[in-house]
Amino acid sequence: GAGVSQSPSNKVTEKGKDVELRCDPISGHTALYWYRQSLGQGLEFLIYFQGNSAPDKSGLPSDRFSAERTGGSVSTLTIQRTQQEDSAVYLCASSLAASGGYEQYFGPGTRLTVT
Amino acid sequence: AQSVTQLDSHVSVSEGTPVLLRCNYSSSYSPSLFWYVQHPNKGLQLLLKYTSAATLVKGINGFEAEFKKSETSFHLTKPSAHMSDAAEYFCVVSVGGGATNKLIFGTGTLLAVQP
Repeated sequence: GAGVSQSPSNKVTEKGKDVELRCDPISGHTALYWYRQSLGQGLEFLIYFQGNSAPDKSGLPSDRFSAERTGGSVSTLTIQRTQQEDSAVYLCASSLAASGGYEQYFGPGTRLTVT
Repeated sequence: AQSVTQLDSHVSVSEGTPVLLRCNYSSSYSPSLFWYVQHPNKGLQLLLKYTSAATLVKGINGFEAEFKKSETSFHLTKPSAHMSDAAEYFCVVSVGGGATNKLIFGTGTLLAVQP
């Protein structure tokens, strides 16, 4: 079946612009997660959705970052007024349920470059 | 707080020899632990997971890991390395319950396989 998909695969933007990154989880997966992978910080958690609500936003690095999920499916991560330190690969994952024993399936990521 | 420590940032082995990638965890309760693999320019893939059942966990591609509570370790092993095993490997602990459910990643071990 279809896995987690993300778009765009690559995004180059100028410092100060806003960007939107999209994630389509596996159908039927109630939990959705965003992570960021960068050279300096490794792989770090950003936000977790259960259905359309986000019980844990603790990993969002600043108020320039926001995310929403609609219809219990697609999620969008928005970065406002991008900075060079936002350059990273943004990974989305989904799982059947929100429990530590359930595998998180990862998408291929969106590589964001801020110039 | 939950965390994992990968003891080696780089490991190099010869094809056909055993692989050992070391991971120690810190957890205040029985953890869910995972090993993920990331091949160059590919997404993260689950190798295996431990969720308080059998302490010796078998995964894909001949990999296995043993959960040792007394040593707080979850080392990844494979009897005989193959060239296709060259990748980055992440030891991961799941943090869940209450208002969160997220993965905490180790810093990764880059495995090189020499012919």
